[in-house]
Amino acid sequence: ETGVTQTPRHLVMGMTNKKSLKCEQHLGHNAMYWYKQSAKKPLELMFVYNFKEQTENNSVPSRFSPECPNSSHLFLHLHTLQPEDSALYLCASSQEGTHTGELFFGEGSRLTVL
Amino acid sequence: GESVGLHLPTLSVQEGDNSIINCAYSNSASDYFIWYKQESGKGPQFIIDIRSNMDKRQGQRVTVLLNKTVKHLSLQIAATQPGDSAVYFCAEKSGYGNKLVFGAGTILRVKS
Repeated sequence: ETGVTQTPRHLVMGMTNKKSLKCEQHLGHNAMYWYKQSAKKPLELMFVYNFKEQTENNSVPSRFSPECPNSSHLFLHLHTLQPEDSALYLCASSQEGTHTGELFFGEGSRLTVL
Repeated sequence: GESVGLHLPTLSVQEGDNSIINCAYSNSASDYFIWYKQESGKGPQFIIDIRSNMDKRQGQRVTVLLNKTVKHLSLQIAATQPGDSAVYFCAEKSGYGNKLVFGAGTILRVKS
């Protein structure tokens, strides 16, 4: 148990569907992240939220839409995805403003786009 | 730059032997480094970290070595166990920003 919970753990969707991934952290952290993990590629940072404000959008296509209603919850809304978007989507949290910045990851949401 | 379709390096070790996993980083301004372990079906888990003012740090059965001259980081695992089988990632960061940059990963396979 890492203190970061992601749901659903597995999701299969068609290219015309709309779905959302949810992340909740119970660690009292003030920063949350979405990462994409594709097979045999380094972890790719997608979005960063500090104190609920988006501070980084790493050139992510608009078919991925993040939402951070408070510092404990983070969503990733998905619409009109492509098969190449199939990947493991990892949520993480950290305490921003420290010189360490260790990330605590959830177990991930495995997305398959048909 | 980003690599596409990487063939992850694999390290196979016999149970009980020591393992050494290596990582080269590119940003000479990086001043904080972390090793993560990712088991199949799970998210990455923190193993050990080190700041750039140190060249060695020890944890339980793990040691991280940092060579800033050649921008090289290594993770040593003593008495490797089957439960150590996983993908290991190094990550680097500079300053007080949030942005951790991850390496591609190394697969560790432990043979019983």
